[in-house]
Amino acid sequence: DAGVIQSPRHEVTEMGQEVTLRCKLISGHNSLFWYRQTMMRGLELLIYFNNNVPIDDSGMPEDRFSAKMPNASFSTLKIQPSEPRDSAVYFCASSLWGGEQFFGPGTRLTVL
Amino acid sequence: AQSVAQPEDQVNVAEGNPLTVKCTYSVSGNPYLFWYVQYPNRGLQFLLKYITGDNLVKGSYGFEAEFNKSQTSFHLKKPSALVSDSALYFCAVRDVDDNDYKLSFGAGTTVTVRA
Repeated sequence: DAGVIQSPRHEVTEMGQEVTLRCKLISGHNSLFWYRQTMMRGLELLIYFNNNVPIDDSGMPEDRFSAKMPNASFSTLKIQPSEPRDSAVYFCASSLWGGEQFFGPGTRLTVL
Repeated sequence: AQSVAQPEDQVNVAEGNPLTVKCTYSVSGNPYLFWYVQYPNRGLQFLLKYITGDNLVKGSYGFEAEFNKSQTSFHLKKPSALVSDSALYFCAVRDVDDNDYKLSFGAGTTVTVRA
């Protein structure tokens, strides 16, 4: 298995632009988690899904952030409009029925 | 409610010496415990987990962890550290008796192994 796949690996954009991050889960996994990691705040859970249904989005910082799971194997995290304080590494992770989470390589986002 | 504490921001050891990274947890029910390692510019990698059974759990790269219910601890150990073990280590917990699959992560411990 290829593991969790994220794209793009790096994204540089200007303030105000829309950013879309993508994640492909490990085949057969039914839970998907989006995290953000910064030096200041460490690792933060943004939102997670079970069986394509959003369960907890309390970590989503603002309405500018939205996430979807259009099917069982794919998810997007969108930021619109982006701001410099959104600069971070964004990880997605998948798991099977609450077991260990497997993380993707991350997307390093820089908003200028 | 569930939480994890990693009391040390940094751990420094010489290569060949034992390595211990500390973790204490808090859950309402029974804990499901995990250790992850993160190398620079990489995602978190799963090392090992404890849910039930033997209190000593063995994982990847020669690491092991000991579950201690009375002390609510799950310390990560390696008998002989390598320079390549230098990385950021995270402990995580969730409540097995909860239907919530969220993990609570510690703040992380940076391990530096000097040659």
